[in-house]
Amino acid sequence: DAKTTQPPSMDCAEGRAANLPCNHSTISGNEYVYWYRQIHSQGPQYIIHGLKNNETNEMASLIITEDRKSSTLILPHATLRDTAVYYCIVRVSMDTGRRALTFGSGTRLQVQP
Amino acid sequence: DGGITQSPKYLFRKEGQNVTLSCEQNLNHDAMYWYRQDPGQGLRLIYYSQIVNDFQKGDIAEGYSVSREKKESFPLTVTSAQKNPTAFYLCASSPLDRGTEAFFGQGTRLTVV
Repeated sequence: DAKTTQPPSMDCAEGRAANLPCNHSTISGNEYVYWYRQIHSQGPQYIIHGLKNNETNEMASLIITEDRKSSTLILPHATLRDTAVYYCIVRVSMDTGRRALTFGSGTRLQVQP
Repeated sequence: DGGITQSPKYLFRKEGQNVTLSCEQNLNHDAMYWYRQDPGQGLRLIYYSQIVNDFQKGDIAEGYSVSREKKESFPLTVTSAQKNPTAFYLCASSPLDRGTEAFFGQGTRLTVV
């Protein structure tokens, strides 16, 4: 099953771009990469997902390397409200052959004023 | 409004009592999930279900039970066999399609005293 590796914490200055990396070297060809974030004591919030191509929406951009072994979430102009734990996850196969979301430990992003 | 609802937000129980956490969704999603989150930790999968009357154990199913009698509902029972039940519990739902995102409830914080 594909697993993800993220740095435990990062800092970013307000107004600057925040680039959050994720390694998923064992991802299979048809697995999607998802990004969520969680603000303290709330449910995770969906940000973006992708398969092969780079993706952009109103919240962020997702850059996936050509070999799909890693990706980067980009918050173009970070604000204090972007301070949260960011999770990079892939849809993995469970023992029964079904699929469920599996979360790693995430990256705690602190946006500094 | 469509969404996923967990209730109650805070729950207190005495040690040795079973307690059931509610999760309801009106998004017509086939898959539903229960996660546990301990302070400063990531999400760990307890149980998941991809169809009515069927569910699968996640990584930490011991001491928990679920049912899926209706598509919209996926209640989680924390039994007295769960050694450390105090935690933040999150429910999620998603379509079965691989490239679609999951939606999370706002969580139930269970405290066992």
